[in-house]
This record gives sequence, C-alpha cells and structure tokens, in this order.
Amino acid sequence: GQQVMQIPQYQHVQEGEDFTTYCNSSTTLSNIQWYKQRPGGHPVFLIQLVKSGEVKKQKRLTFQFGEAKKNSSLHITATQTTDVGTYFCAGKDFGNEKLTFGTGTRLTIIP
Amino acid sequence: SAVISQKPSRDICQRGTSLTIQCQVDSQVTMMFWYRQQPGQSLTLIATANQGSEATYESGFVIDKFPISRPNLTFSTLTVSNMSPEDSSIYLCSVRTKETQYFGPGTRLLVL
Repeated sequence: GQQVMQIPQYQHVQEGEDFTTYCNSSTTLSNIQWYKQRPGGHPVFLIQLVKSGEVKKQKRLTFQFGEAKKNSSLHITATQTTDVGTYFCAGKDFGNEKLTFGTGTRLTIIP
Repeated sequence: SAVISQKPSRDICQRGTSLTIQCQVDSQVTMMFWYRQQPGQSLTLIATANQGSEATYESGFVIDKFPISRPNLTFSTLTVSNMSPEDSSIYLCSVRTKETQYFGPGTRLLVL
C-alpha cells in the first residue's frame, strides 16, 4: 500500500531560524495536503497542492509539490514560538477519497 | 467550514468492555472518516463512514472490532469493542468539505 514518509522526524531550531520538512510518497499522488497539530490538539488543515510543481505561500510558510507529484516540502521562514507543533503531510490517491498521512515532523523552538 | 464535536472527550475503560464515541458536525457532509492516533504517532485511517450503508474499513480494521454507524449526514458513532490496552489511543472524527478536511477534538481513550 501507499506509504508517506517525512524527514526529519524531529527538528529543534532557534527562534528566528528557518525550518523545512520533506514529504515523500511511494506512489504518485492526486494531491497533497499539509496539517499542523499543536501539542495536545487536533490536526488543522493548512493547504492543498494539486498541480505538478505547484508552489503556494502563506505568510512565512512556503509549500511545494514536486514535478512528479510524489514529494512535497514545507518551509517556514524565521520561525516563531507559535510555529511549535507537528507538521503532517497527507497524500491523496487517484480514484479514491482516502488520505494517507505522513509520519510527521515535530518542530520545537528554542527561544 | 465545519465544526465538529466529539463525546466523550476522554475516558478510562476496563479491558473487555466497549466504548461508543459520538461525532456531531454542524453541517451536512458527505465524506466522514474515523482515524486513530497513538501517542506521538501519525494518523491512521480506520474507516470511511458511509451514510445509509456499511462503513468501508481499511486494512487491519474490522467491523466486529470497530462498528460504525452513520444514520444521517451530520452524525456518526464509532464503537471500540472488547477493548484491550492496545486500543489506548486518540480517536478522531474527520469530515471533508470541498478541498478542506476538518478534524474533531478527539477522544482520548485509556484502557486498563
């Protein structure tokens, strides 16, 4: 079955440094979504990417979808303490509504 | 958008018992899902709750263990049957509207 891996598993950064998490799928995806889960909270939808090579920005967050639609990345510029949490990518197969969640990257910020 | 509530928010149960989790959405939605998230882990899809028909279960999950009801487009229940400590987890209800997927606050289950 489809597998979605993320690296790194953990990332500790100084406040103000940049952060990137990478997502790789074993299969070509229809689309990819990104979620943020704060400690003790539930996943919150951030964005969906559909097109090959697509790049989307939300303030300090930049999302990319690979040309082959098998990988994606999330980059945060100048991290803030409010960015703390676990970031999950989730890939959607063609032909069904199932989302397969990645393994997640837990971001901690050193003030 | 969709606002999802779940009951109970948490519970401690004895092994061998069953717990039913309720999920209520503030609007009618077609796609409704149940996920499990073990501590520090990712989310695993248990099943898709289909309105008016049997749920569609993912590999490793069976109806006898996780019976699901979906009587209408705003409500669903998930039962965790004959519980064991391995069932200790967070159970999350989720719905999809257009391009966005929303999650409920989760039910934290501890089985002793």
